[in-house]
Amino acid sequence: QKEVEQNSGPLSVPEGAIASLNCTYSDRGSQSFFWYRQYSGKSPELIMFIYSNGDKEDGRFTAQLNKASQYVSLLIRDSQPSDSATYLCAVNRAQSGYSTLTFGKGTMLLVSP
Amino acid sequence: DTEVTQTPKHLVMGMTNKKSLKCEQHMGHRAMYWYKQKAKKPPELMFVYSYEKLSINESVPSRFSPECPNSSLLNLHLHALQPEDSALYLCASSQDSRFRTEAFFGQGTRLTVV
Repeated sequence: QKEVEQNSGPLSVPEGAIASLNCTYSDRGSQSFFWYRQYSGKSPELIMFIYSNGDKEDGRFTAQLNKASQYVSLLIRDSQPSDSATYLCAVNRAQSGYSTLTFGKGTMLLVSP
Repeated sequence: DTEVTQTPKHLVMGMTNKKSLKCEQHMGHRAMYWYKQKAKKPPELMFVYSYEKLSINESVPSRFSPECPNSSLLNLHLHALQPEDSALYLCASSQDSRFRTEAFFGQGTRLTVV
């Protein structure tokens, strides 16, 4: 069973702090990794994707990938109350010659003012 | 522009009804997807269309019938659904289904089966 594991949280951080969200995956063949943000009752919004080992930064967000450890993380700097949401980690899976996404169960982030 | 548009936003239907969900994207993406999401669960893949052909059907019951009329449109036809089919139905698209698989989601259709 190919799985993506996330701590369900909630992860509580004060405004202005760094939030660190973690994800592990079991399929060593995975090549693409994604972070989605989902507000309650809304659809997932793609915020970061990473294909190579190392760090990728976009504004306040940094995605980190370590394929040897099968670990991907998302750092949110200067966290804002508006960042409070569920963060879904998604990993590609080769299926019948195509690539599909397997999602983790998500980590709820709560940023307090 | 990373917009995927789904209609309707909300749908209530009886178990004997036939209805359709619609999805549209104008990003030139060649892969389109239907996902189902229950409350407090992650999205679950239902169907994948690649270059307008059905590529993956995740053993979805036949009461759900997908259709891809052209590269910009994706429909999901619903018939004889059960109350347990109530969920958020999400359409997504990506540039292709093999290499550039960053998927962008529409706002979803909240379906209630009564």
